[in-house]
Amino acid sequence: DAGITQSPRHKVTETGTPVTLRCHQTENHRYMYWYRQDPGHGLRLIHYSYGVKDTDKGEVSDGYSVSRSKTEDFLLTLESATSSQTSVYFCAISESGQINEKLFFGSGTQLSVL
Amino acid sequence: QQPVQSPQAVILREGEDAVINCSSSKALYSVHWYRQKHGEAPVFLMILLKGGEQKGHDKISASFNEKKQQSSLYLTASQLSYSGTYFCGTEIRGTYKYIFGTGTRLKVLA
Repeated sequence: DAGITQSPRHKVTETGTPVTLRCHQTENHRYMYWYRQDPGHGLRLIHYSYGVKDTDKGEVSDGYSVSRSKTEDFLLTLESATSSQTSVYFCAISESGQINEKLFFGSGTQLSVL
Repeated sequence: QQPVQSPQAVILREGEDAVINCSSSKALYSVHWYRQKHGEAPVFLMILLKGGEQKGHDKISASFNEKKQQSSLYLTASQLSYSGTYFCGTEIRGTYKYIFGTGTRLKVLA
């Protein structure tokens, strides 16, 4: 299995503060994804990346930005956190090496915005 | 654009069968199925790449009807370990966006 580490695992922050979540992978996978999961909404795509410095928006990208300066790291930033961004955030990689095939997920980050 | 899954939730007894459906309003190129246990990350189950193709994984199999833009997951002789939430996943044709269906919560009782 691919090695994916998400950090932090849990975070509590206040409205209006910036927050950065990190996804680190160890096997040089090209394709990486950020999803959020909320009750009643399933998994929703925030941003994805198809290489270093190559990223694109997903379905729910408003209020989020991403950066990928190295193959192994995909960062998700909430510029000014809002309570509606309280969620569980999952990072994923495309384990097969092809885009959008056999996604492997990290353990998730539980983010609470008060 | 999110594929719609049905039913939303199902409760079974061990040994019973279940079918979970995934329908899309957009053309599907391929469909994947995942299972997520409570408090854990989703885990890949199987991929269906061609219309009409059926794949199997233990006593779990799936079909994909490209013309109807639907996929179905079949769980046969369910076991307690099958409990969890099932998601279909697919790429939006014409984009590289990979999205998931609305999810189906399945609970198997002893």
